[in-house]
Amino acid sequence: DTAVSQTPKYLVTQMGNDKSIKCEQNLGHDTMYWYKQDSKKFLKIMFSYNNKELIINETVPNRFSPKSPDKAHLNLHINSLELGDSAVYFCASSQETVWPGYHEKLFFGSGTQLSVL
Amino acid sequence: GDSVTQMEGPVTLSEEAFLTINCTYTATGYPSLFWYVQYPGEGLQLLLKATKADDKGSNKGFEATYRKETTSFHLEKGSVQVSDSAVYFCALCEDNDMRFGAGTRLTVKP
Repeated sequence: DTAVSQTPKYLVTQMGNDKSIKCEQNLGHDTMYWYKQDSKKFLKIMFSYNNKELIINETVPNRFSPKSPDKAHLNLHINSLELGDSAVYFCASSQETVWPGYHEKLFFGSGTQLSVL
Repeated sequence: GDSVTQMEGPVTLSEEAFLTINCTYTATGYPSLFWYVQYPGEGLQLLLKATKADDKGSNKGFEATYRKETTSFHLEKGSVQVSDSAVYFCALCEDNDMRFGAGTRLTVKP
């Protein structure tokens, strides 16, 4: 079974649409994250939740809203999609909060490639 | 800015062959260096890491040495197996952010 799974794997949509990416982890971890990887392979943290509580909220447009119904799930909802939102979005989890600097303790999902046309 | 360049794939080898995947980096300071592996249908997994110059990371028969003089972190394995077939990503971490290479797909044939 995949430890951190995110869906969909690919998402192609038009500007202005609203879309969601789902993430689930079956590792029993307390903390989950969303990262954005841009075209230059730069991976930047967006949000982190610990046991359903928001603990990291980087400078991200308000159009991005994470939702954590329970500690095993962290979904990312994006309103009014823009061209610049095109990227690969990675979900990750860890037993405890390990940002910044301890990325080796993160378990990553396989990524969601979002293309905004 | 920081960047990671790794050899383009795909790489196809026979079982028990020697593997090298080159990785070079540019950074303003002293980053930590990583190799991640992504098996089919799975997420990224940390394979090995090195946090300072001359450190050697090793795991599952894979090795990589942090070479500051050549700004490199090449991945090597003496004898690959079919189960090593995956995509390998070189990465660096400096300050609070990570930067990945483009990934190299390795296929090992029996």
